[in-house]
Amino acid sequence: QSVLTQPPSASGAPGQRITISCSGSYSNIGSNSVNWYQQVPGTAPKLLIYSTYHRPSGVPARFSGSKSGASASLAIGGLQSEDEADYYCAAWDDSQNGHYVFGTGTTVTVL
Amino acid sequence: QVQLQQWGAGLLKPSETLSLNCAVSGGSLSGHYGSWIRQTPGKGLEWIGDVNHSGGTNYNPSLKSRVTISTDRSKSQFSLKLSSVTAADTAVYYCARGLLGYFYMDVWGKGTTVIVSS
Repeated sequence: QSVLTQPPSASGAPGQRITISCSGSYSNIGSNSVNWYQQVPGTAPKLLIYSTYHRPSGVPARFSGSKSGASASLAIGGLQSEDEADYYCAAWDDSQNGHYVFGTGTTVTVL
Repeated sequence: QVQLQQWGAGLLKPSETLSLNCAVSGGSLSGHYGSWIRQTPGKGLEWIGDVNHSGGTNYNPSLKSRVTISTDRSKSQFSLKLSSVTAADTAVYYCARGLLGYFYMDVWGKGTTVIVSS
């Protein structure tokens, strides 16, 4: 069971800005950086944001990450049809000798 | 460009041992770690564990008693064994690579579907 909680769904019209929240605890988001993965159904996840704020080469600048306390957010500005996918937050959790945890996932729909 | 190629048995009977392999091409595990992640049908992602190039491992506490992850540095490969499988272990299994000291995976395999059925 995931220890990082995300809303099941989010949606917006093309060109709009949406945000996806990720709620954790002190042992994970509160103490470590956050990563975000994008998964188009039927394909492997793709790293979207790493170390809370950073975008890998090739990821558009309209994707941005932030963190405050034990919560994190992913913002998608200028929503495009190709952004329809599942999005997962993730972080290292220092409890139980350390382990990696994923969020529950959010399905983004472009209206 | 670094790529991960994974393979292994896709159909198992309950109580058997799941065995998957992942080869790194265009790079190596040196300075990196290899992870295994699974995704059950219609559900989210679950981290299984990882191994670094020296053989050091970390495991998901909920699976630790059944999991072994190992590496073959000479072949730039790492492997997953999950014992005593049940239907609950039916999932798509992914291998992925991350940079040591950083808790993210930037290269992923395409996934292997494993079905456990009698």
